[in-house]
Amino acid sequence: EVQLVESGGGLVQPGRSLKLSCVASGFTFNNYWMTWIRQAPGKGLEWVASITNTGGTTYYPDSVKGRFTISRDNAKSTLYLQMNSLRSEDTATYYCTRGPITTVETEWYFDFWGPGTMVTVSS
Amino acid sequence: DIQMTQSPASLSASLGETVTIECRASEDIYNGLAWYQQKPGKSPQLLIYNANNLHTGVPSRFSGSGSGTQFSLKINSLQSEDVASYFCQQCYDYPPTFGGGTKLELK
Repeated sequence: EVQLVESGGGLVQPGRSLKLSCVASGFTFNNYWMTWIRQAPGKGLEWVASITNTGGTTYYPDSVKGRFTISRDNAKSTLYLQMNSLRSEDTATYYCTRGPITTVETEWYFDFWGPGTMVTVSS
Repeated sequence: DIQMTQSPASLSASLGETVTIECRASEDIYNGLAWYQQKPGKSPQLLIYNANNLHTGVPSRFSGSGSGTQFSLKINSLQSEDVASYFCQQCYDYPPTFGGGTKLELK
């Protein structure tokens, strides 16, 4: 059974940093790209960052580029999100997801999601 | 970026009813569309990928259709456990983008 379990969320002041972790199990972690997706309270879903299976390439939207860094440790089956210079608009539940799916092409859907970890940015 | 527009934003239906949710892309995404279900207080779960492929374990009362810019999610014989928000997402091109969601409630 595929399992993704996030941790590291909490209350943080604007401008400070926070690092999220996601431990994966139930599949061969180093075969899959991984992604962070967030959801502000009562709002929709926003893609935050993706990383290839080797960790060699990363992808970010402009809203977090230069502030957030996605990384992974394949030996520990763990995905990370380092968040710096946090803003109030980063307040959200952050989900660790498996995907995009890369078979013949890169298909940008996410087939398994963790329960999420809440990040609140407030003074 | 490709914009995704869902309708309606909210929907009320009775048990056993058939429900349809629409999703429109701002440009041609071929069959590159996914649907997710998010039950209250839970994380989203994949229902359908590539417009009409059911994810593992998803009940057959769910189905997806469409191509190009117009897509739909149909739920046959609505069950109480289907009360949730539903999101579409274009998976054809980078960056991935989501629709605003449809909240489904029981009448």
